Amino acid sequence: GEDVEQSLFLSVREGDSSVINCTYTDSSSTYLYWYKQEPGAGLQLLTYIFSNMDMKQDQRLTVLLNKKDKHLSLRIADTQTGDSAIYFCAESNQAGTALIFGKGTTLSVSS
Amino acid sequence: IAGITQAPTSQILAAGRRMTLRCTQDMRHNAMYWYRQDLGLGLRLIHYSNTAGTTGKGEVPDGYSVSRANTDDFPLTLASAVPSQTSVYFCASSMGEATEAFFGQGTRLTVV
Repeated sequence: GEDVEQSLFLSVREGDSSVINCTYTDSSSTYLYWYKQEPGAGLQLLTYIFSNMDMKQDQRLTVLLNKKDKHLSLRIADTQTGDSAIYFCAESNQAGTALIFGKGTTLSVSS
Repeated sequence: IAGITQAPTSQILAAGRRMTLRCTQDMRHNAMYWYRQDLGLGLRLIHYSNTAGTTGKGEVPDGYSVSRANTDDFPLTLASAVPSQTSVYFCASSMGEATEAFFGQGTRLTVV
């Protein structure tokens, strides 16, 4: 069935790069998304990539998509303490009726 | 400010009671969704509506019902709450089906 998998935790030092990985099963999704959730808040769209692209860069964020391996990654350059949050990758479900989300990766940034 | 409003922010509910979580959006989005977020399980889709007047079941619909009488409102009802429905509930909306979703701030529900 459809599934989105992420590692649960990532710990980095301030100033380092963070790479959050995601694998997905349904290849029919037009877009793939990264959302950020800060403590006690809802999810906010961070960035997205069109499924026919390999890479998208947006300031400190780089999204890489490997369609063959169904692997999506989010790289955060020069990670700051304010980047500490839960990051979710998401894609369309097979029916195309809603987004399905991974379980989320908790990013902890230490100074 | 345009967006999605959920109410209440939090609620403690006795088991067996009926409860409706409210969700309103003012972005004229066609599609709306209800998710629940549980530790270790991520977000799971409860119900969705792709346009006013239609609804569909998500991954975990049992014990919940929804209605979509108009574009803006998408209430979620727990007919008879059980402790396993303790969760954080998020309402979301998107212009098209399964496209970029905008989320409310969530309702923290505790069933005791």
